[in-house]
Amino acid sequence: RKEVEQDPGPFNVPEGATVAFNCTYSNSASQSFFWYRQDCRKEPKLLMSVYSSGNEDGRFTAQLNRASQYISLLIRDSKLSDSATYLCVVNMVASKIIFGSGTRLSIRP
Amino acid sequence: GAVVSQHPSWVICKSGTSVKIECRSLDFQATTMFWYRQFPKQSLMLMATSNEGSKATYEQGVEKDKFLINHASLTLSTLTVTSAHPEDSSFYICSASNYGYTFGSGTRLTVV
Repeated sequence: RKEVEQDPGPFNVPEGATVAFNCTYSNSASQSFFWYRQDCRKEPKLLMSVYSSGNEDGRFTAQLNRASQYISLLIRDSKLSDSATYLCVVNMVASKIIFGSGTRLSIRP
Repeated sequence: GAVVSQHPSWVICKSGTSVKIECRSLDFQATTMFWYRQFPKQSLMLMATSNEGSKATYEQGVEKDKFLINHASLTLSTLTVTSAHPEDSSFYICSASNYGYTFGSGTRLTVV
């Protein structure tokens, strides 16, 4: 089993739709979690951290479920500019961070 | 916000030569930096963890004698790809931790 797993997609949704991604992790001792966004041929950029209580930033909502060992990202009212690959990042023990394979999202007009 | 500068952004080299990539944290100190490699349409794969003042920790399957890492100061880590081969052609990215992980802009290496 991979340490961090994501549905690779692609997700192809119309503008304005709501879309959600999940990411599962294998190590229950994992300490912190992030969602990154990566545009084609660019470096990943931090989208948001994921807290146990769940957190929201505008149209984006991230949640963590430690019991089931997954994190989620919800995007509401999607924009064309949201098209990108979304990477789930898990900080495991000893500061080792692992990336998921990424979920490709394409928003169509 | 935290800035990580990576240089060069792209390089083409001949097979058998060595290439050095620099990663600098511009406005914070980083005792630990990470080096990743990304092949087309694949995710970032952690190659090694660079520790200031000590040896780097390499992931399984990454040759430490081929990918030399030096972290001589709190703001600079370097990755040297020695005796590069075409299969080493990839996108190399560094990152450093500062309230999350900030990435350099990446280096696209092409070995011909």
